[in-house]
Amino acid sequence: EAGVAQSPRYKIIEKRQSVAFWCNPISGHATLYWYQQILGQGPKLLIQFQNNGVVDDSQLPKDRFSAERLKGVDSTLKIQPAKLEDSAVYLCASSLRQISYEQYFGPGTRLTVT
Amino acid sequence: AQTVTQSQPEMSVQEAETVTLSCTYDTSESDYYLFWYKQPPSRQMILVIRQEAYKQQNATENRFSVNFQKAAKSFSLKISDSQLGDAAMYFCAYRSLTSGTYKYIFGTGTRLKVLA
Repeated sequence: EAGVAQSPRYKIIEKRQSVAFWCNPISGHATLYWYQQILGQGPKLLIQFQNNGVVDDSQLPKDRFSAERLKGVDSTLKIQPAKLEDSAVYLCASSLRQISYEQYFGPGTRLTVT
Repeated sequence: AQTVTQSQPEMSVQEAETVTLSCTYDTSESDYYLFWYKQPPSRQMILVIRQEAYKQQNATENRFSVNFQKAAKSFSLKISDSQLGDAAMYFCAYRSLTSGTYKYIFGTGTRLKVLA
């Protein structure tokens, strides 16, 4: 079974530029999560999808961050414009169902904003 | 709001010895899950062990076991016979089962070093 795929693995941009991250969850997993992990901290949930609908985006900075999950499979997370404090690892995770206890994480994308 | 606290930023253990990582949490809910996740230097997080709050028996997975004290809101992880491959960041996580989103909340992590 293939795991959660993310790309790119690394990205360096200047502040005020835009960036997009892509996630492909495990086949058949209905629930998809995007987390932000700042260095030295635990992951913080940004947005949770159930199929192609948003379940929770209460911690997503909606003035600059957006996310979509078209057709309930792949997802993209976009930042526009980026700020220095957006430097972090962005983790994607998926689970079979919303109530499933286990999340499967991707390798993450390390974003550096200069 | 629920919170998860890991008060040990870093721990060290000698190979083959036992180490305990601490975690406390705060919640007013009665039904939830607790987890320990491992994040090796490659960054891919994997589940180590989970505990359902309604179960009194402490969960065990091979060399990993937990001490779940629901009244004290404490959830520690014990690693027995530590191996070099256990070196990683360990995150304690809480998952609500009563909110509509079943959101995960992670602690700040404990870096475990295993000394040969």
